[in-house]
Amino acid sequence: EDQVTQSPEALRLQEGESSSLNCSYTVSGLRGLFWYRQDPGKGPEFLFTLYSAGEEKEKERLKATLTKKESFLHITAPKPEDSATYLCAVQAENNDMRFGAGTRLTVKP
Amino acid sequence: NAGVMQNPRHLVRRRGQEARLRCSPMKGHSHVYWYRQLPEEGLKFMVYLQKENIIDESGMPKERFSAEFPKEGPSILRIQQVVRGDSAAYFCASSPRPFMGARNEKLFFGSGTQLSVL
Repeated sequence: EDQVTQSPEALRLQEGESSSLNCSYTVSGLRGLFWYRQDPGKGPEFLFTLYSAGEEKEKERLKATLTKKESFLHITAPKPEDSATYLCAVQAENNDMRFGAGTRLTVKP
Repeated sequence: NAGVMQNPRHLVRRRGQEARLRCSPMKGHSHVYWYRQLPEEGLKFMVYLQKENIIDESGMPKERFSAEFPKEGPSILRIQQVVRGDSAAYFCASSPRPFMGARNEKLFFGSGTQLSVL
């Protein structure tokens, strides 16, 4: 069965303290791996799509990477406004999309 | 260009009542997807609809739940005889084409409806 596991569940960082969020997955035929940001009371906001191992995408302080088993979301020198829940999702070859439970990131000033 | 609009934002129902959740996709989008999110859990797919058609309802409970996306008007997720376990955030997403993992395709989500069953 397709599975997506995100770790850690929660992460507290000081402003400027770089770190990484992990998304481990097992899927039958990966069509795409997606990262979303979700603020409290809001819907998920699209960040990146990765399609094949070795691919990397960057946006401001965020960088997403992909291997055959996991993806990392690297946050460089985070700011308090980066505080949110970060969701990872995989789409299998049958088009089923499965989301992880998310990592709740808090960045303290 | 307005985003995906969901209403109401919050809905309170007593056990046994009906809940109707509405979703207006982004302009030009004819594909709608409903997801349910429980606290500390990931989004769970429920149903995928195109205008006037249910394409995939594999994630939707067989009883009490139904969805429609009429030719005119918003998509509706209907929950009959609600129970406490139905309490969750329900999100709608839309796309201009079938979301098949094609490059540069992505889902646009609404802000959700928080359903509370007393």
